[in-house]
Amino acid sequence: DAMVIQNPRYQVTQFGKPVTLSCSQTLNHNVMYWYQQKSSQAPKLLFHYYDKDFNNEADTPDNFQSRRPNTSFCFLDIRSPGLGDAAMYLCATSRDTNIQYFGAGTRLSVL
Amino acid sequence: QKEVEQDPGPLSVPEGAIVSLNCTYSNSAFQYFMWYRQYSRKGPELLMYTYSSGNKEDGRFTAQVDKSSKYISLFIRDSQPSDSATYLCAMRGSRSGGANNLFFGTGTRLTVIP
Repeated sequence: DAMVIQNPRYQVTQFGKPVTLSCSQTLNHNVMYWYQQKSSQAPKLLFHYYDKDFNNEADTPDNFQSRRPNTSFCFLDIRSPGLGDAAMYLCATSRDTNIQYFGAGTRLSVL
Repeated sequence: QKEVEQDPGPLSVPEGAIVSLNCTYSNSAFQYFMWYRQYSRKGPELLMYTYSSGNKEDGRFTAQVDKSSKYISLFIRDSQPSDSATYLCAMRGSRSGGANNLFFGTGTRLTVIP
């Protein structure tokens, strides 16, 4: 059974058109993460929620925002996507500092 | 210098071969070491999870950690075509409470040829 679910699997958007990616989890984990992974590169952490506390990485552009309305759901908002934002976006969850479990990812294309 | 270095490959081996995948790291504070497998266009899936130095075996997979050399390895015995994927090493320091910032290698792409 899928435990970390990302929707949609593939998203196409236009340059500058806001887009929202979704992540839900059935693990009841208190930490949720968003990573950006470009081709042949390591996943890059954008930010995470520890419970309700938002933690932004220092080099995450302001164009990227996140919302976590409850324990189970977390959203990644890209306010004005550029061509350089085309990537796989991965959601992960963990119980405190324990193992991170990843979703299947959303592949974003920007036209 | 990157925190974690991993040879990106690609690596091609015949079916049944023993595969050795490796990562080096620079931060001596890393205590927890993981190997994730990532199939094409999918998310990473945890394969092995080890703490500090030593070996851990799970079926055809063996993870080794040598903290003195800052070097970790993943061995795959009797490799199968279904093992064809990208293998990512990841690691983090010891931290009580709080979240879990992982440092990833870039991944090694493995192809097992039938």
